[in-house]
Amino acid sequence: GNSVTQMEGPVTLSEEAFLTINCTYTATGYPSLFWYVQYPGEGLQLLLKATKADDKGSNKGFEATYRKETTSFHLEKGSVQVSDSAVYFCALAPYSGAGSYQLTFGKGTKLSVIP
Amino acid sequence: ETGVTQTPRHLVMGMTNKKSLKCEQHLGHNAMYWYKQSAKKPLELMFVYSLEERVENNSVPSRFSPECPNSSHLFLHLHTLQPEDSALYLCASSQVGGAGRTKNIQYFGAGTRLSVL
Repeated sequence: GNSVTQMEGPVTLSEEAFLTINCTYTATGYPSLFWYVQYPGEGLQLLLKATKADDKGSNKGFEATYRKETTSFHLEKGSVQVSDSAVYFCALAPYSGAGSYQLTFGKGTKLSVIP
Repeated sequence: ETGVTQTPRHLVMGMTNKKSLKCEQHLGHNAMYWYKQSAKKPLELMFVYSLEERVENNSVPSRFSPECPNSSHLFLHLHTLQPEDSALYLCASSQVGGAGRTKNIQYFGAGTRLSVL
């Protein structure tokens, strides 16, 4: 079956540090890949997505590249801010032609950014 | 107004109570989902409704009963819950079917924080 593995947290960084959160996946075919973010007390928000190999998703200074050869979708940001403190979830959706109902999520990585 | 709205935001109930969680989406989507988020566990998909028909039920105990009266509304009826059911319950919606991979993006509400005493 499908699975997503992301690095264990929590991750604590100083403001303006470089961020990498690793994510690897197992899936058949060509899934779509997502990063969601959950700020304290809120639901999940889509941060970025990529739907095919070598696609780069980007939003709010965050980037992730769909690497089929390494089955990875690592999240990066060059300079984090205190406001980026949140829990980050990597997820995949299998491709079934007409669309798919089920997202498979990683366990989430909590990021804390200190001033 | 936000895309997916959940009420109430917080709920405390006893094990013998009956309560309902409500979700409403204003995005024109045709699929809705219930998830359970517990501390230190992956997000668990509970139910999926597409075009108001249930298409997924991931071995959820019968004390959880979903209802989808139309494509914009989703309920989760709760009865005789256990303390281990305390969690954040998230609702999501998406547009499924049609061309394009981007139509399976799910949009989430803020969740209902449930505590079972």
